[in-house]
Amino acid sequence: DIRLTQSPSSLSASVGDRVTVTCRASQGISNYLAWFQQKPGKAPKSLIYAASSLQSGVPSRFSGSGSGTDFTLTISSLQPEDFATYYCQQYYSYPITFGHGTRLDIK
Amino acid sequence: QVHLVESGGGVVQPGRSLRLSCVASGFTFSSFAMHWVRQAPGKGLEWVAVISYDGNIIYYADSVKGRFTISRDNSKNTLYLQMNSLGAEDTAVYYCARAIKTAPGRYYFDYWGQGNLVTVSS
Repeated sequence: DIRLTQSPSSLSASVGDRVTVTCRASQGISNYLAWFQQKPGKAPKSLIYAASSLQSGVPSRFSGSGSGTDFTLTISSLQPEDFATYYCQQYYSYPITFGHGTRLDIK
Repeated sequence: QVHLVESGGGVVQPGRSLRLSCVASGFTFSSFAMHWVRQAPGKGLEWVAVISYDGNIIYYADSVKGRFTISRDNSKNTLYLQMNSLGAEDTAVYYCARAIKTAPGRYYFDYWGQGNLVTVSS
C-alpha cells in the first residue's frame, strides 16, 4: 500500500497568513493526488485533484503543486472559513489511501 | 446540483449485518464510478470500496474484504454497502463519494454525501 505522510500534523496560523501543507508518498504516484478539506461534523470537500487542478467553485487562494512523491497544498491568504482539517489522498493505485490529516487552527 | 444521501446506519450488535444505501440525484448516476469511505470517531479517512459505473469492476480495502459487498442499482440511482460480520472496528461515519475518471483506472472524488453513522456495540 502507498503511505502518505502529511506534515505538519497541526498548525496554528492567523487570518491573512500564507500556509503550506506537505504530503509525501512512499512511492511515485505521478500527479494522482487530491486534497480535501473537512470541518468538524461535516463531509470532506474536494479542493484539488491531479495535484494542482482546482475543483470547480474552490477559491483561487488554494493551490497545489508537486509530482512523483512530494506535494504541497498552499493557502495564499487564510480566511476565517479555512480553519479545518486537510487531507491528501492518492488515487494512483488501490487501495486508495489518505494522509493522516493536518489540523489548521486559529492562532 | 449533485446530491448524495446516505441512509441505513444505526446501532448494531457485533457479528450482525447492516446495509447502507446512497441515493444519488442531479447527475447521470449510471455514468459514474462510486466509492465508500469511512471515518472512525476522531480519526482520519479510510477508503472502503469502489464500484465501476456498470458494476463490473469492484475493489475493496483489505480490512473489509470478504465481509462487505458494494453494489449498485442504476435504475434506482442507488449505491449500496452490505456489511456483514460487523465488529467494533467498523464503527464509523460512512460516506459515499462520486468518482471522476482522469485516466484509465484512476478516479478522484468530487462530491461526497453527508455521511451516515454506524455504531457496532453490544
